[in-house]
Amino acid sequence: DTAVSQTPKYLVTQMGNDKSIKCEQNLGHDTMYWYKQDSKKFLKIMFSYNNKELIINETVPNRFSPKSPDKAHLNLHINSLELGDSAVYFCASSQESKGRGYGYTFGSGTRLTVV
Amino acid sequence: AQSVTQLDSHVSVSEGTPVLLRCNYSSSYSPSLFWYVQHPNKGLQLLLKYTSAATLVKGINGFEAEFKKSETSFHLTKPSAHMSDAAEYFCVVSDRTGNTGKLIFGQGTTLQVKP
Repeated sequence: DTAVSQTPKYLVTQMGNDKSIKCEQNLGHDTMYWYKQDSKKFLKIMFSYNNKELIINETVPNRFSPKSPDKAHLNLHINSLELGDSAVYFCASSQESKGRGYGYTFGSGTRLTVV
Repeated sequence: AQSVTQLDSHVSVSEGTPVLLRCNYSSSYSPSLFWYVQHPNKGLQLLLKYTSAATLVKGINGFEAEFKKSETSFHLTKPSAHMSDAAEYFCVVSDRTGNTGKLIFGQGTTLQVKP
């Protein structure tokens, strides 16, 4: 079983569209994250949720809205997609109650291409 | 604030020769440091982590790293490179200032292994 799974793996869409990326973890972790990897492979955190509560929001445009229906899921919805949103988006999870960054696990990524 | 600097954007070695990927960190706290590897079009895999225990950390696939506080370094080494080691390597520090396990990534080092 995949520990942190993201869908879809690839997403190609036109500018102006709205799209969602889904993430699920079966590790029982209490914290989930979204990271963005740009074309130069630089990775930076976007959001973090702990027990469904938004903890980190790193100056991401309002067009990006994370949603956590429960501890095992963290979805990323993007409105009015722009060319600059093209990137690889990684979901991750950890069990913060056991220590900072305990069991940190990444998903395999979603490659978003906006045309 | 915590940060990491990877001193080489690209390293090229011959198969069977040693690998050295350099990383310096900056942290006001006792840091937690990690090395992650990303193979082409793949997700992120944890190689090893330092969390204030032994300063010499052994990881998977023969990699190891040494935490040197006096030099604020956490260089990654391997005695003998394999072709399968060709990938992108990230030095990472865990942010201790927030409430959750935010990871701060270096810019990455591309390791090329020549036959």
